[in-house]
Amino acid sequence: GAVVSQHPSWVICKSGTSVKIECRSLDFQATTMFWYRQFPKQSLMLMATSNEGSKATYEQGVEKDKFLINHASLTLSTLTVTSAHPEDSSFYICSARATAVQTYEQYFGPGTRLTVT
Amino acid sequence: EDQVTQSPEALRLQEGESSSLNCSYTVSGLRGLFWYRQDPGKGPEFLFTLYSAGEEKEKERLKATLTKKESFLHITAPKPEDSATYLCAVQGGFQKLVFGTGTRLLVSP
Repeated sequence: GAVVSQHPSWVICKSGTSVKIECRSLDFQATTMFWYRQFPKQSLMLMATSNEGSKATYEQGVEKDKFLINHASLTLSTLTVTSAHPEDSSFYICSARATAVQTYEQYFGPGTRLTVT
Repeated sequence: EDQVTQSPEALRLQEGESSSLNCSYTVSGLRGLFWYRQDPGKGPEFLFTLYSAGEEKEKERLKATLTKKESFLHITAPKPEDSATYLCAVQGGFQKLVFGTGTRLLVSP
């Protein structure tokens, strides 16, 4: 149980284009999903928290117009990197918290490796 | 501000050589302390949640303990497949997890 998937697992795009990453909770409903990025040999940095049906809350320093987050259903959140640049190359990981359980565990997806050329 | 510090940064063990990883934290209103395992190029895998001082949880060769200031992840008789980065995170009054920088564990056969 508590499986989270991400698609794609890796993507290469050209500078200036946009990329969409999907995050799905496969066997549970998730009111809240989180998006992180991770640079090599560093820990996870929270980018934003998204609640189903409402606007995402972005962490300080994260450009909301560049990283568009949509959480349209209880099982799907998407992150769109708009006008990507090489400095956006990173490992993006989503997580989800189960709605029905009164705990705070977050279950993570396998991550998406984004390379911008 | 919630803060998590993990030590050591890296640890190399021989197979069967037991050891402990440390996670020191400061948080206002602890909702939970979490341990995750992360393999290279993958997302973190959930291991344990600890909610209050004195709590302990075990899973195979791993045992997590919690005090009011720190948590330990004890690894008993580790095997090479236990090699990974172990992440500690806390959740306080807000929804978000605050992660430590992790301990990279390498277990040699």
